[in-house]
Amino acid sequence: DAGVIQSPRHEVTEMGQEVTLRCKPISGHDYLFWYRQTMMRGLELLIYFNNNVPIDDSGMPEDRFSAKMPNASFSTLKIQPSEPRDSAVYFCASAWRKQKLFFGSGTQLSVL
Amino acid sequence: SQQGEEDPQALSIQEGENATMNCSYKTSINNLQWYRQNSGRGLVHLILIRSNEREKHSGRLRVTLDTSKKSSSLLITASRAADTASYFCATDAGNTPLVFGKGTRLSVIA
Repeated sequence: DAGVIQSPRHEVTEMGQEVTLRCKPISGHDYLFWYRQTMMRGLELLIYFNNNVPIDDSGMPEDRFSAKMPNASFSTLKIQPSEPRDSAVYFCASAWRKQKLFFGSGTQLSVL
Repeated sequence: SQQGEEDPQALSIQEGENATMNCSYKTSINNLQWYRQNSGRGLVHLILIRSNEREKHSGRLRVTLDTSKKSSSLLITASRAADTASYFCATDAGNTPLVFGKGTRLSVIA
């Protein structure tokens, strides 16, 4: 298995633009998590899914953020409109029963 | 919050020395996990210790768990330059997702 695959690896955009981050979890995993990492706040959980169903999105900063998981092999995190304070590294992780999370390499997002 | 809090925030040691990092948490847990993050990469799972376990080993790693004190420690023996990374603990209470601390930045100097 190739592990958790995230794209793009880097994203530079201008304030107000829509940003879409993508994630392909490991086949067979039933949990998918989206995290955001900054120096100031550390690793923050944004949302997680169980069997493609969103379970807890209380970590999503505001309505500008949305996440979907249309099937077991794909998830997106969308920011619309983006703001400079959204600049961070966004990680996707998948797991089987939350016992051991496998992280992707992350998307480095810079909003100018 | 059951967030794990790692201590110290940063640690610098010489190659060959042992490195000890600590994690404290606030509520009852099912298990506690340790992860490593190399610069610019995603986190990698190192070891999981269940609430009914007190100690666990994996290669040069030794993890202890004291549920009465709500604390855990990660010991890396005979450290190597390649161990330079950030180390995070994460707690699992079963019906909530893993919550990570801010990590300990370990620097191993050759």
